Amino acid sequence: DGGITQSPKYLFRKEGQNVTLSCEQNLNHDAMYWYRQDPGQGLRLIYYSQIVNDFQKGDIAEGYSVSREKKESFPLTVTSAQKNPTAFYLCASSNNGATNEKLFFGSGTQLSVL
Amino acid sequence: QQQVKQSPQSLIVQKGGISIINCAYENTAFDYFPWYQQFPGKGPALLIAIRPDVSEKKEGRFTISFNKSAKQFSLHIMDSQPGDSATYFCAASIEGNTPLVFGKGTRLSVIA
Repeated sequence: DGGITQSPKYLFRKEGQNVTLSCEQNLNHDAMYWYRQDPGQGLRLIYYSQIVNDFQKGDIAEGYSVSREKKESFPLTVTSAQKNPTAFYLCASSNNGATNEKLFFGSGTQLSVL
Repeated sequence: QQQVKQSPQSLIVQKGGISIINCAYENTAFDYFPWYQQFPGKGPALLIAIRPDVSEKKEGRFTISFNKSAKQFSLHIMDSQPGDSATYFCAASIEGNTPLVFGKGTRLSVIA
């Protein structure tokens, strides 16, 4: 059953804590993306990676970090520097990030601050 | 700077009616314009997409109309059904260059 798996579905962060959101894909896609969704704000790009061991900042990268050590995995860390982390986080992948191909999204992680 | 402006923010349509969502863009280099559909608690899924070499694309009840000179494109949902109730996002990008830039979304409610 191919697709993108995000975990956990719900995550709570304490003040000053770093948390990591998991994203795994078994579609053999080269490109992976992290978007943040806030009510009425649409989808804003945090980071993206077009190839293993390489990634680029999106529009709202401050307070976040990523790694791409394996093709199938693109974890996102929300650091304590992100002062307003409460949001719905979506991971996506596409076959080839250099062309405009269909994005496949995971089911998201809802992050809340305690 | 918002590169893709979407309207309306929310829309209520009677069952069987036509739903129309509009988007406007600023960057004339954009050459790929998809629409994504998102149900509550789920990730978005590609619905339909168009490139600027055509003015209209239809897939079933869903149609994209594209006006290159006005830098606008719109989604029309014919014979709207309650199952179409979702949030719709327009997006744009440059072929082989940039990731998708999304509009802020339109929450569509189709009532019986």
